[in-house]
Amino acid sequence: SQQGEEDPQALSIQEGENATMNCSYKTSINNLQWYRQNSGRGLVHLILIRSNEREKHSGRLRVTLDTSKKSSSLLITASRAADTASYFCATDAWGNNRLAFGKGNQVVVIP
Amino acid sequence: NAGVTQTPKFQVLKTGQSMTLQCAQDMNHNSMYWYRQDPGMGLRLIYYSASEGTTDKGEVPNGYNVSRLNKREFSLRLESAAPSQTSVYFCASNRQGLETQYFGPGTRLLVL
Repeated sequence: SQQGEEDPQALSIQEGENATMNCSYKTSINNLQWYRQNSGRGLVHLILIRSNEREKHSGRLRVTLDTSKKSSSLLITASRAADTASYFCATDAWGNNRLAFGKGNQVVVIP
Repeated sequence: NAGVTQTPKFQVLKTGQSMTLQCAQDMNHNSMYWYRQDPGMGLRLIYYSASEGTTDKGEVPNGYNVSRLNKREFSLRLESAAPSQTSVYFCASNRQGLETQYFGPGTRLLVL
């Protein structure tokens, strides 16, 4: 069964707007990662947040982690058309860096 | 560096046929993984190899076998393909001690 789950929403936003997506998970974790997948391509790592961190920034990305609620959010600020993709959260639910992925959020940024 | 490469890119099989999906990485990574992605779903771990010479089952190993041929290569074999194995298969790798996984472009498999 999937350990990570995003809110199953497809976002459609205008270029320049912010995009927020959420992820919940079931078990205790060491870290949570976010990956991006462009259509028909492999996944690309975006950002990792450890269980003892609450917020992390990388460029236009901001990720938060609430271990008490077993949830995380990814914010993309000032979105661009190139941000159009599916975004997945993944947790190391089983140790040894074996990742459990959520179902993904589709984001469409309209130029 | 090519990163993680997968062959073939696309394959059509008939039920009962066998095939091997190939994966290679040139980043000197210790760990390698095989995932499958079904429509509208996230990735699910099939098998992984923490280091050369070791393999272990993931979340959905039934119907698959793997071989860690050397540090660079990790193959996935379907002995008797079934329609339920129609999926996109991704190989990934990471360096020991670092959590970021690097993914290949995927193999699209259709089993009729």
